[in-house]
Amino acid sequence: EVQLVESGGGLVQPGGSLRLSCGASGFTFIDYYMEWVRQAPGKGLEWVGRIRNKTRSYTTEYAASVKGRFIISRDSSENSLYLQMNSLKTEDTAVYYCIRGGPFLGYWGQGTLVTVSS
Amino acid sequence: DIVMTQTPLSLSVTPGQPASISCKSSQSLLQSDGKTYLSWCLQKPGQPPHLLIYEISNRFSGVPDRFSGSGSGTDFTLKISRVEAEDVGVYYCVQGIKYPITFGQGTRLEIK
Repeated sequence: EVQLVESGGGLVQPGGSLRLSCGASGFTFIDYYMEWVRQAPGKGLEWVGRIRNKTRSYTTEYAASVKGRFIISRDSSENSLYLQMNSLKTEDTAVYYCIRGGPFLGYWGQGTLVTVSS
Repeated sequence: DIVMTQTPLSLSVTPGQPASISCKSSQSLLQSDGKTYLSWCLQKPGQPPHLLIYEISNRFSGVPDRFSGSGSGTDFTLKISRVEAEDVGVYYCVQGIKYPITFGQGTRLEIK
């Protein structure tokens, strides 16, 4: 069974940093694209970024709103996906979901809440 | 960016009746590999979203067959043949052909 468990959310001040983690199990982690999608309180879904699989050299793509501030990485030895968030803004406040592809957006974690506030 | 426009934004349906949601994209979602990367997700109250339909019309594992997807190019439709109480929530279409990946605004379905 595919399982994705996010962690690392919390309260952070504007300008601060936070690293989210997503533990993956139930599948061969290196074979799949992974995504981050976020949802601000009471709002719709916003794609954050993607990291491809080993075959595609773990290359990344980002939304314009986070490019240059957020970094997606993965550790195949830990079966974990990461989202390093720097220079956080109040508008980054959201629930962040970790997602596995195959098919596209096929498996979602429960999400972790990030609150950026002073 | 590809803009995904859903209509209606909300609908109220009597159990057992059909429902339909439209999604229009600002560009064709047909990829050079012949696939069309249009998916539908449902977010039930208090839950994370989950995948219903991928590549226009493929039901994801465990999705009841009362859900169906259709369309091509820029016009797509999600249909529920007979709405049940458990179908309440917000439905999103999403395109995966071009970065950034973009979602529709969401359509809230409630039960009469």
